Amino acid sequence: AQSVAQPEDQVNVAEGNPLTVKCTYSVSGNPYLFWYVQYPNRGLQFLLKYITGDNLVKGSYGFEAEFNKSQTSFHLKKPSALVSDSALYFCAVRDTNAGKSTFGDGTTLTVKP
Amino acid sequence: EAQVTQNPRYLITVTGKKLTVTCSQNMNHEYMSWYRQDPGLGLRQIYYSMNVEVTDKGDVPEGYKVSRKEKRNFPLILESPSPNQTSLYFCASSGIGGGQPQHFGDGTRLSIL
Repeated sequence: AQSVAQPEDQVNVAEGNPLTVKCTYSVSGNPYLFWYVQYPNRGLQFLLKYITGDNLVKGSYGFEAEFNKSQTSFHLKKPSALVSDSALYFCAVRDTNAGKSTFGDGTTLTVKP
Repeated sequence: EAQVTQNPRYLITVTGKKLTVTCSQNMNHEYMSWYRQDPGLGLRQIYYSMNVEVTDKGDVPEGYKVSRKEKRNFPLILESPSPNQTSLYFCASSGIGGGQPQHFGDGTRLSIL
């Protein structure tokens, strides 16, 4: 069985500071990992994914994520946070035949001016 | 515009009254899925479909039915809704393959009284 853990319910950062939203996963086989963002009253939007290759993946809106196989982690990062980055962030793992998807519980990011 | 459309967006109904939430996508995606989002529990997968006439259970299928008669549509059916099915529901679609990101609808908020 696959699982995802987001250990922080909430992350608070000041605008202009770097941000990290943590995610760890458990899968059998190679992981397909994703980050999504949800704004109020909207569906989830895809940010970035890791399938294979470079451990640092870049995505939308200046976000990037670092895949670490030994620590089974896939942390979301951004060098300089914006107030508009405030939202709910979900980490997800998808099985290799694309059937089952498992999401973390979500982390609320608040960026203060 | 590529989109996943859910209807209705909001519904308040009573226990035991059958209801259907429709989902339609215009991206010719083979894969579609239903999730429910509850505070502190993230997104949990209800059912998914790999193609027309192919459906399978997710993690929380009890009390729900689905059908996939056409590629673009994937309705969620609650035959006898109960209050514990009060939740925010999302439909998603993607291409085939575990590395494909999912496209989400804007959600349907169901209240079962």
